[in-house]
Amino acid sequence: AQKVTQAQTEISVVEKEDVTLDCVYETRDTTYYLFWYKQPPSGELVFLIRRNSFDEQNEISGRYSWNFQKSTSSFNFTITASQVVDSAVYFCALSEAPGANSKLTFGKGITLSVRP
Amino acid sequence: GAVVSQHPSWVICKSGTSVKIECRSLDFQATTMFWYRQFPKQSLMLMATSNEGSKATYEQGVEKDKFLINHASLTLSTLTVTSAHPEDSSFYICSAQPGGKVYEQYFGPGTRLTVT
Repeated sequence: AQKVTQAQTEISVVEKEDVTLDCVYETRDTTYYLFWYKQPPSGELVFLIRRNSFDEQNEISGRYSWNFQKSTSSFNFTITASQVVDSAVYFCALSEAPGANSKLTFGKGITLSVRP
Repeated sequence: GAVVSQHPSWVICKSGTSVKIECRSLDFQATTMFWYRQFPKQSLMLMATSNEGSKATYEQGVEKDKFLINHASLTLSTLTVTSAHPEDSSFYICSAQPGGKVYEQYFGPGTRLTVT
């Protein structure tokens, strides 16, 4: 069975600080996808990134970067120079086994508060 | 592209009544749609997976007679909460998966249900 653990529940930082959100996953499959979503107070999920299990290259998108390490089953997310608008709940998710119904398993989420 | 809408965005109903929530993929055909439930300050929990033209597959612990799912077309899935009770109050989110793209899911904005 697949599982996603986000051990941090709440993080509070001051604007312009860097912050890393941790994600550890469990799966028996060799083929799987990892995701990060942002959920602002409005509730709508915002897709941030999808990474497949065969691509361990780190990725950077503006102030966002992701570190995927299969050796430690982790897919951590770093926000550089955080801003108040980054305040939201962030979910890491896993989808395993190719097929018609690739279900997403979500972690419990990390509430990030960025203070001015 | 890849927009998913939900209607209504919020609804208040009395205990014992039924309420229907619609999920539409606006600019693509969704062979598979997923329904999630999210209680306050908790993660998204998958309720069921529906494929167009066939019966939905419910996750363990989800009452299929209480949460009726219909996926009548490639752009529309509905979730009907029958005989709603206050404990059914939650945020319901749907997602739609384009045909042939098993690792892509596009989320709707969610429907907040309050049962009084």
